[in-house]
Amino acid sequence: SAVISQKPSRDICQRGTSLTIQCQVDSQVTMMFWYRQQPGQSLTLIATANQGSEATYESGFVIDKFPISRPNLTFSTLTVSNMSPEDSSIYLCSAQPGQGAYEQYFGPGTRLTVT
Amino acid sequence: AQSVSQHNHHVILSEAASLELGCNYSYGGTVNLFWYVQYPGQHLQLLLKYFSGDPLVKGIKGFEAEFIKSKFSFNLRKPSVQWSDTAEYFCAVKRGSSNTGKLIFGQGTTLQVKP
Repeated sequence: SAVISQKPSRDICQRGTSLTIQCQVDSQVTMMFWYRQQPGQSLTLIATANQGSEATYESGFVIDKFPISRPNLTFSTLTVSNMSPEDSSIYLCSAQPGQGAYEQYFGPGTRLTVT
Repeated sequence: AQSVSQHNHHVILSEAASLELGCNYSYGGTVNLFWYVQYPGQHLQLLLKYFSGDPLVKGIKGFEAEFIKSKFSFNLRKPSVQWSDTAEYFCAVKRGSSNTGKLIFGQGTTLQVKP
């Protein structure tokens, strides 16, 4: 298994600003992901954070809005840029130890409110 | 597009009642199947998973799920619920042949167990 921590746990931000969320895994993992959980809804994958290369974004999510870094096998950041109230969500990091038939472990999430 | 449907959005049970939460998916190929649980104020935790083999899988805390390939279903069951099972339950599916790790989540089911 993998234990995942995220910082900050919550934040209230003003419209037009940016917030960077950090995700730390307690062991090296092959794959890391970022999800969004909007109020009352399920989890939606934003992107796969690739170590040493650009992230792979899902339909509807773009790098300019959600730049992602993954400098090594245990750490990743997600930035929510030029925020609007519609970005108010819980942002979750997850990690998968290997490719293929492995489960994903989730962090505690970052609750973001944009005013 | 691949999708996951959870039929019950909100379930209320009394303690000791039996539980069955439905989950259906739309992808026809090999799949990996998961049930996650989110207790109030806590992060997502893996309840159980199916990759291959015996279609009846047992997870933590007395939960089990049955994979019925012909019905594209992976229903979660527990013979006797406890008040501590009050939580949000998410079904998730990943293509078995995929190395992308992309999880598709259902909408979630809120379970409320009355003492």
